[in-house]
Amino acid sequence: ILNVEQSPQSLHVQEGDSTNFTCSFPSSNFYALHWYRWETAKSPEALFVMTLNGDEKKKGRISATLNTKEGYSYLYIKGSQPEDSATYLCASPQGGSEKLVFGKGTKLTVNP
Amino acid sequence: GAGVSQSPRYKVTKRGQDVALRCDPISGHVSLYWYRQALGQGPEFLTYFNYEAQQDKSGLPNDRFSAERPEGSISTLTIQRTEQRDSAMYRCASSLGGTDYEQYFGPGTRLTVT
Repeated sequence: ILNVEQSPQSLHVQEGDSTNFTCSFPSSNFYALHWYRWETAKSPEALFVMTLNGDEKKKGRISATLNTKEGYSYLYIKGSQPEDSATYLCASPQGGSEKLVFGKGTKLTVNP
Repeated sequence: GAGVSQSPRYKVTKRGQDVALRCDPISGHVSLYWYRQALGQGPEFLTYFNYEAQQDKSGLPNDRFSAERPEGSISTLTIQRTEQRDSAMYRCASSLGGTDYEQYFGPGTRLTVT
């Protein structure tokens, strides 16, 4: 069974700080890596889907990189704002199925 | 355009009753997924469909849970003889299909079994 790990579990930063967190996944039989942003009481919102080793994607102040050979992805937030406070989830499809296996998430709190 | 919708948004039922949760995906989306999400946790896969075909139901906890998507659009997740441990947020998502497309999540149905 695919195991997707995220670290740290939670993170507190000050407004304006840049931050990053990690998603680890098995490097064998890789298909894609998804990042979602989830605010409690709302639905998870897709940020990126990454498939190619070395891929880097960016959306505003948020960017992500992918290393499929070693099985990790980093999510970076530049100049964190209080509205970035959320849980960031990564997920990977298991064995070519569209079944997404989610990590437990990194809960980010940005203090004003 | 309209996103994924789910109904009801909240459902309170007594133990032993059957419940049916409905999902209306984004128009034109091939794939539809059902997840269960415990408080503070990420989504846990239940099952998914490509068009009307159920492709993977490995996440359904037991045979009290079933899902259908008879016309390849709206889907229903049915839980028979509900138990308190079934209480959770049930989320539906849809996508264009395949592993490379993002999944768009609905608002969820909060099920409480008393």
